[in-house]
Amino acid sequence: KQEVTQIPAALSVPEGENLVLNCSFTDSAIYNLQWFRQDPGKGLTSLLLIQSSQREQTSGRLNASLDKSSGRSTLYIAASQPGDSATYLCAQTDSWGKLQFGAGTQVVVTP
Amino acid sequence: KAGVTQTPRYLIKTRGQQVTLSCSPISGHRSVSWYQQTPGQGLQFLFEYFSETQRNKGNFPGRFSGRQFSNSRSEMNVSTLELGDSALYLCASKEREGPYNEQFFGPGTRLTVL
Repeated sequence: KQEVTQIPAALSVPEGENLVLNCSFTDSAIYNLQWFRQDPGKGLTSLLLIQSSQREQTSGRLNASLDKSSGRSTLYIAASQPGDSATYLCAQTDSWGKLQFGAGTQVVVTP
Repeated sequence: KAGVTQTPRYLIKTRGQQVTLSCSPISGHRSVSWYQQTPGQGLQFLFEYFSETQRNKGNFPGRFSGRQFSNSRSEMNVSTLELGDSALYLCASKEREGPYNEQFFGPGTRLTVL
């Protein structure tokens, strides 16, 4: 059974510090891994998609890496801002395209 | 391009009633999936539709059903509502079925069952 774990469950950092969010998955036959952001009571915003053949993806201040051998993905957010406060979720895709989500990391960036 | 839209955004129902939620995918996307999000269980997959056919189904009771129309819009129905059905229901669209495409989510429908 696939499992996705995100540690820590919550994180608080001062503005300007770099954020490092971790995601662990158990299925080595991963198809892709997607990172999402969710603001309270809102839907999910796709941040980055990493295909299984890729090692990393970058978009602006965001960089996500994928290490299939260790079953880990890391999302880096450079120079965090208060607007980055949200819950960040990672999800791996199974062969059908179904997303298996972690429980998320709740991030607070303090001014 | 417009994003994924969901209607209604909020619903309040009582136990035993039924409810229908609607999802319009991004233009050109033919796959629509539905997820339930609750504080206790997190995000759980309900089902996926592609070309008007259910392609995959999660572990939910038969009270949860869905369909997809020829324009790719999808509806989800929950019959005989229970208190535990209170949740945020999210739909996601992607270009085609399978594991390779990025999925985009709508804003969700917040269902409260009293």
